[in-house]
Amino acid sequence: ETGVTQTPRHLVMGMTNKKSLKCEQHLGHNAMYWYKQSAKKPLELMFVYNFKEQTENNSVPSRFSPECPNSSHLFLHLHTLQPEDSALYLCASSQVWTSLETQYFGPGTRLLVL
Amino acid sequence: AQSVSQHNHHVILSEAASLELGCNYSYGGTVNLFWYVQYPGQHLQLLLKYFSGDPLVKGIKGFEAEFIKSKFSFNLRKPSVQWSDTAEYFCAVKVGVSGYALNFGKGTSLLVTP
Repeated sequence: ETGVTQTPRHLVMGMTNKKSLKCEQHLGHNAMYWYKQSAKKPLELMFVYNFKEQTENNSVPSRFSPECPNSSHLFLHLHTLQPEDSALYLCASSQVWTSLETQYFGPGTRLLVL
Repeated sequence: AQSVSQHNHHVILSEAASLELGCNYSYGGTVNLFWYVQYPGQHLQLLLKYFSGDPLVKGIKGFEAEFIKSKFSFNLRKPSVQWSDTAEYFCAVKVGVSGYALNFGKGTSLLVTP
């Protein structure tokens, strides 16, 4: 399935590194999302972009910086992360303002912060 | 606090056994309900969804779920599981028609033994 793709699939970084996660959706949707999936915790919504505008920021630390240059691409820029930020980062997309809105997820980026 | 509860964190079944995974939510008003599945090494996939109408919804791979409004529940069922159903199952709730956030439960890990 190639609806929502994410790169890289795995990333190991030190606490002083700067890296970026990339997400691309091929579904023609107008909204994109970043979620964090940690062990033994529910998926946590981080950011929402609707028509390229950020509409939600769920109290995410500033060391995570999203960017949405167009409705098909979403980035998550990472800098000075902490070991507790190690998790699976999932991107999703949906077509908002429709009665049957459904979010579709990418495969995720498994991040390890050393 | 409003939440989505999945009562069973780990379930082990033999092939051909029947499955029921519980999901309760504490949100009032209009809700859209989803079950997602995450097979080992794969991304989150939509299993089924409920928006309105018949409270018994059928999804892929023989799964179904029943929305019981009075009980704030959306339990997932399958009459006869297969080894290939081994996966993590997530219940999710979207509150309101135009809200963006999907609120997830912690997930249930299902292991089906031959």
